[in-house]
Amino acid sequence: RKEVEQDPGPFNVPEGATVAFNCTYSNSASQSFFWYRQDCRKEPKLLMSVYSSGNEDGRFTAQLNRASQYISLLIRDSKLSDSATYLCVVYTGGGNKLTFGTGTQLKVEL
Amino acid sequence: DAGVTQSPTHLIKTRGQQVTLRCSPISGHKSVSWYQQVLGQGPQFIFQYYEKEERGRGNFPDRFSARQFPNYSSELNVNALLLGDSALYLCASSPTPQGTGYGYTFGSGTRLTVV
Repeated sequence: RKEVEQDPGPFNVPEGATVAFNCTYSNSASQSFFWYRQDCRKEPKLLMSVYSSGNEDGRFTAQLNRASQYISLLIRDSKLSDSATYLCVVYTGGGNKLTFGTGTQLKVEL
Repeated sequence: DAGVTQSPTHLIKTRGQQVTLRCSPISGHKSVSWYQQVLGQGPQFIFQYYEKEERGRGNFPDRFSARQFPNYSSELNVNALLLGDSALYLCASSPTPQGTGYGYTFGSGTRLTVV
């Protein structure tokens, strides 16, 4: 089983749609959780940290369920500029490492 | 403010050669990590350094080594290059190893091609 699992997609959605990405992680000792966005052939950029209480940043909402070891990202009112790969990332203190999922590709279309 | 800077941006090497990649973290960040990303996959953890000490190592062979300098910049060395080492090598910096609240900031990477 992979340490961090994501549906690779692609998710093709029309502009204005709401889309949800899910991610599961296997290490219950994981400490910090993030969503990163990566454009083609570019570096990953932090979209948002994810907290157990849930957090929102504009059109983006992230949720963490520690009991189920599950992380989600909701994007409302999708824009063409949201087209990218979204990476679920987990920090595990034991190895002092970030573990990335393979990423979920989103394509927002007119 | 300068972000994370990596050099060189692109590199072509021959099998068996050695390569050194460089990274300068954001000013004030003491943690530097290295990642390898092959096409179609998420980045894979190679090393983390914090306060000039190795704090984590991924599942990579001993051909991969790294170090962090007193100014917190870092080098990644790869010996005896194989074709499979061709990838985007990413450096990430953070104020602390956990990246709590701040996440990690990535440089634009070094694209290594081994021929």
